[in-house]
Amino acid sequence: QQQVKQSPQSLIVQKGGISIINCAYENTAFDYFPWYQQFPGKGPALLIAIRPDVSEKKEGRFTISFNKSAKQFSLHIMDSQPGDSATYFCAASTPLSGGSNYKLTFGKGTLLTVNP
Amino acid sequence: DADVTQTPRNRITKTGKRIMLECSQTKGHDRMYWYRQDPGLGLRLIYYSFDVKDINKGEISDGYSVSRQAQAKFSLSLESAIPNQTALYFCATSDPGSPTGSYNEQFFGPGTRLTVL
Repeated sequence: QQQVKQSPQSLIVQKGGISIINCAYENTAFDYFPWYQQFPGKGPALLIAIRPDVSEKKEGRFTISFNKSAKQFSLHIMDSQPGDSATYFCAASTPLSGGSNYKLTFGKGTLLTVNP
Repeated sequence: DADVTQTPRNRITKTGKRIMLECSQTKGHDRMYWYRQDPGLGLRLIYYSFDVKDINKGEISDGYSVSRQAQAKFSLSLESAIPNQTALYFCATSDPGSPTGSYNEQFFGPGTRLTVL
């Protein structure tokens, strides 16, 4: 059962363009939504994250848009650069017992290629 | 030095062999996780541990076992490897969330590429 659905599987964008990756979820218990970026040969690293009581979060060229009623969130990369070429994973956090523990459920990933 | 290290980085083994993947961290985190990554399937949680005495199964624990030898060390074992366990394996660590339940990021190691023939 896939709890976080991510699309597209791959994306090709020209330098300077906008890259958009979408995710959808069903579990209303998710309480935090991070995006991870993974370069070839490396482990994923946190890029940006948002709480469900916020509709948008921006950090530099990266913006998360969050639609709680639709259970959807998306990553927008403005002015995309070849250095942004990587695999991007959306994720959702499930709180566990004790209030200070959680686990992440990841989407299947999007391979972004930014052409020069 | 890297904060989260994994050994070996690459391993080729045969069906039926016992394999151990090791993870060490210098971040001082209590929480540690093991994931596997397959092309087109993303990252799936195998096991997680919130302290030395607390170990929990993730989504896909069948065929795997873990050992938390110390706060800084978390090992993943494949008791009898099979070809469909060929994958990229990642260890991750995190701090606990705050008392208000805010999120803390997970820090991933560089991964171990395992091939089971």
